Amino acid sequence: DQQVKQNSPSLSVQEGRISILNCDYTNSMFDYFLWYKKYPAEGPTFLISISSIKDKNEDGRFTVFLNKSAKHLSLHIVPSQPGDSAVYFCAASPEGSYKLIFGSGTRLLVRP
Amino acid sequence: GAGVSQSPRYKVAKRGQDVALRCDPISGHVSLFWYQQALGQGPEFLTYFQNEAQLDKSGLPSDRFFAERPEGSVSTLKIQRTQQEDSAVYLCASSLNPGGEQYFGPGTRLTVT
Repeated sequence: DQQVKQNSPSLSVQEGRISILNCDYTNSMFDYFLWYKKYPAEGPTFLISISSIKDKNEDGRFTVFLNKSAKHLSLHIVPSQPGDSAVYFCAASPEGSYKLIFGSGTRLLVRP
Repeated sequence: GAGVSQSPRYKVAKRGQDVALRCDPISGHVSLFWYQQALGQGPEFLTYFQNEAQLDKSGLPSDRFFAERPEGSVSTLKIQRTQQEDSAVYLCASSLNPGGEQYFGPGTRLTVT
């Protein structure tokens, strides 16, 4: 029973364009959402997060949008750069817990 | 060496062997987590420590899995009588405070043959 789903295993975009990565969740008790980025042979690194009381959080080229009614969040990267090519994981934290529940990841390729 | 380190980076074990995986968290970090990442999947939570106390072990898949953090710093994940389905990357993460940003180590890739 996957509580956090990333339905697109891969995404390819042109350098300079927008990358949009999507994530859906089923548990309404999640109160904190995060995106992690992972390069091969390295551990995931934190990218950006959003609390359930907000609907948008922006950090430079990265923006996360949260739609609680649809139980959907997305990560926008503008403009995309070749160095952004990596696997992106969506994660959520249940209320009252510190553990993270991860999606299965989306592999982003930014073409020069 | 300011990051989370894990050793060994790679481990091959024959089915039935016991293994021990080590995690050195960032110095001073109170919280420590273990995750298991199967091929093509996202990390799955195994267990959580706050200092030396194991506060959540709900993700440990069986009683063959055991984790400890006796002095509230280094942690060891032990798997007894390894099975093929235990093959995965085992990730350790630490955070300064409970609920803080989790910093991940590079993982230990365990292959059970």
